[in-house]
Amino acid sequence: EVQLVQSGAEVKKPGESLKISCKGSGYSFPNYWIGWVRQMPGKGLEWMGIIFPADSDTRYSPSFQGQVTISADRSISTAYLQWSSLKASDTAMYYCARCQAYGSGTCGFDYWGQGTLVTVSS
Amino acid sequence: QLVLTQSPSASASLGASVKLTCTLSSGHSSYAIAWHQQRPEKGPRYLMKLNSDGSHIKGDGIPDRFSGSSSGAERYLTISSLQSEDEADYYCQTWGNVIHVFGGGTKLTVL
Repeated sequence: EVQLVQSGAEVKKPGESLKISCKGSGYSFPNYWIGWVRQMPGKGLEWMGIIFPADSDTRYSPSFQGQVTISADRSISTAYLQWSSLKASDTAMYYCARCQAYGSGTCGFDYWGQGTLVTVSS
Repeated sequence: QLVLTQSPSASASLGASVKLTCTLSSGHSSYAIAWHQQRPEKGPRYLMKLNSDGSHIKGDGIPDRFSGSSSGAERYLTISSLQSEDEADYYCQTWGNVIHVFGGGTKLTVL
């Protein structure tokens, strides 16, 4: 059974750093892209970026380039999303999702993590 | 620019059918999409991948009441025999070469 299990909720202050995780199981973790998706309170889903754990090839949405860092450790089947200096506007739910390859370098999300709530408040 | 457009809301009665629409931007009518369901206070759940020819592959455990179809740049999600548990937000998603896009979502109310 494919599962993506994310780390727990976080409460941080502006300016602090944070790294959240997403552990995959039930499939060959290195060989599937993993994406990160933001959902701000009461809003829709926004694609942040995606990583291929086998070689750490990473692509970012222009909206999030330079704002976050996506990484992965294939030895422990875990992907990460990190911030070096949080802002109040980073308060949101963050989801990871596995990306099923559909050929020609494309893929679509087919399994989701349960989400990690990040709250940034002074 | 790759954009997906969804109506913000829809409603239908318990036991009835409803058809939700996701429209691809000009020049992208051949693109496949995925439909995802998000129940209140829950995470998204993959429903299906829907191709431009209307063929679709559903996720694990998705009931037969959920089906997809396509016409030109429009992608549809039809839910038949509506149940109260179908009240949720429905998002379409598409992808290009390492770019992913979500529609704004449709909030479905079951009356």
